[in-house]
Amino acid sequence: EVQLLESGGGLVQPGGSLRLSCAASGFIFGTYAMSWVRQAPGKGLEWVSTFSGSGGSTYYADSVKGRFTISRDNSENTLYLQMNNLRVEDTAIYYCAKIPQWDFWGGYEDYWGQGTLVTVSS
Amino acid sequence: EIVLTQSPGTLSLSPGERATLSCRASQSVSSNYLAWYQQKPGQAPRLLIYSASSRATGIPDRFSGSGSGTDFTLTISRLEPEDFAVYYCQQYGNSPRTFGQGTKVEIK
Repeated sequence: EVQLLESGGGLVQPGGSLRLSCAASGFIFGTYAMSWVRQAPGKGLEWVSTFSGSGGSTYYADSVKGRFTISRDNSENTLYLQMNNLRVEDTAIYYCAKIPQWDFWGGYEDYWGQGTLVTVSS
Repeated sequence: EIVLTQSPGTLSLSPGERATLSCRASQSVSSNYLAWYQQKPGQAPRLLIYSASSRATGIPDRFSGSGSGTDFTLTISRLEPEDFAVYYCQQYGNSPRTFGQGTKVEIK
């Protein structure tokens, strides 16, 4: 059974940093691309970033480019999202999601974790 | 960026009725890479449909997807009580991948 467990969320001041983690189990983690998707309170879904399995390519939404960094540790079956220079508008539930293929292109998110809440406020 | 517009915003129906949800893209979706997700309050999204018309594992056959190019439809043939939720479409053929704003299916 695929399981994705996010952690690391919390309250942070504007300009601060947080690192989110996603512990994966139930599949061969290193074989698949992985994404972060967020949802602001009461709003819709917004794709944030994807780490492709092939060659370690990374992709970012313009709204987070230059501030967020996605990474993964295949030996620990863990996906990360380092978030720097956080803004109030980054407040959201952050979901970790698996893509059922190696590559970013043409890959949808098939399994999702339960999410971790990040609140950016002074 | 491809903008996805879902309609209607809210659909009020009774159990047993048919639900038809629309997702229109601002430009053609590459290879019909269009997915549908269901989200219930306090839960993560759940994949229903990918590649416009392929049902995900374990999804009941009352859910079906159709369409191509810029116009896509999710149909729920007979609503069950557990189907009342918010539904999102997503295109993943172009970067950035984008989601529609959602359609809420509520009990009438």
